[in-house]
Amino acid sequence: DVKVTQSSRYLVKRTGEKVFLECVQDMDHENMFWYRQDPGLGLRLIYFSYDVKMKEKGDIPEGYSVSREKKERFSLILESASTNQTSMYLCASSGDGRDEQYFGPGTRLTVT
Amino acid sequence: GDSVTQMEGPVTLSEEAFLTINCTYTATGYPSLFWYVQYPGEGLQLLLKATKADDKGSNKGFEATYRKETTSFHLEKGSVQVSDSAVYFCALCTSSGNTGKLIFGQGTTLQVKP
Repeated sequence: DVKVTQSSRYLVKRTGEKVFLECVQDMDHENMFWYRQDPGLGLRLIYFSYDVKMKEKGDIPEGYSVSREKKERFSLILESASTNQTSMYLCASSGDGRDEQYFGPGTRLTVT
Repeated sequence: GDSVTQMEGPVTLSEEAFLTINCTYTATGYPSLFWYVQYPGEGLQLLLKATKADDKGSNKGFEATYRKETTSFHLEKGSVQVSDSAVYFCALCTSSGNTGKLIFGQGTTLQVKP
């Protein structure tokens, strides 16, 4: 079975802190994604990566950056956390362009 | 741009009732269509998928048919159980080079009462 793991299930940070969310997949997938999930808005794509060191902006990249130094690991970085970034963050991976994506359990981030 | 619209929830049903969750989409080209389910406190799991027109995806008693003429992918189950209580997301996948991007509907919460 594909396994996507995220470093924390719950995280509480203060405004202005730099925050790192880590995601690891074990299926040698080329593509990895970061979404945020908010009530009534569904999932929105923040960034994705189709290869090591490659990244593309999704629909809501402002305030975020990403890093993919190894194929299995995709990090989401909040350079200076703000309260409007309080959300559930979901990581996903897929092996091919039209394949289904496999999701991690999510990190619920609260910024105070 | 591409988009997915789901019926608003919450949907509350009694056990063994028939379930329909409507999903329509707007897309250029020929997207793949998916239903994902999210149980409380968990990430999303793929429930079923269809990759071309008239395909029927099915899993765990759930079904959905890719209807190109009506741009729909409605989710159905003949007899729901309490354990089906979850949030259901319809999504389409558009390919951009080698990478597919998922576009989600806003999700529909299903609550099944005993």
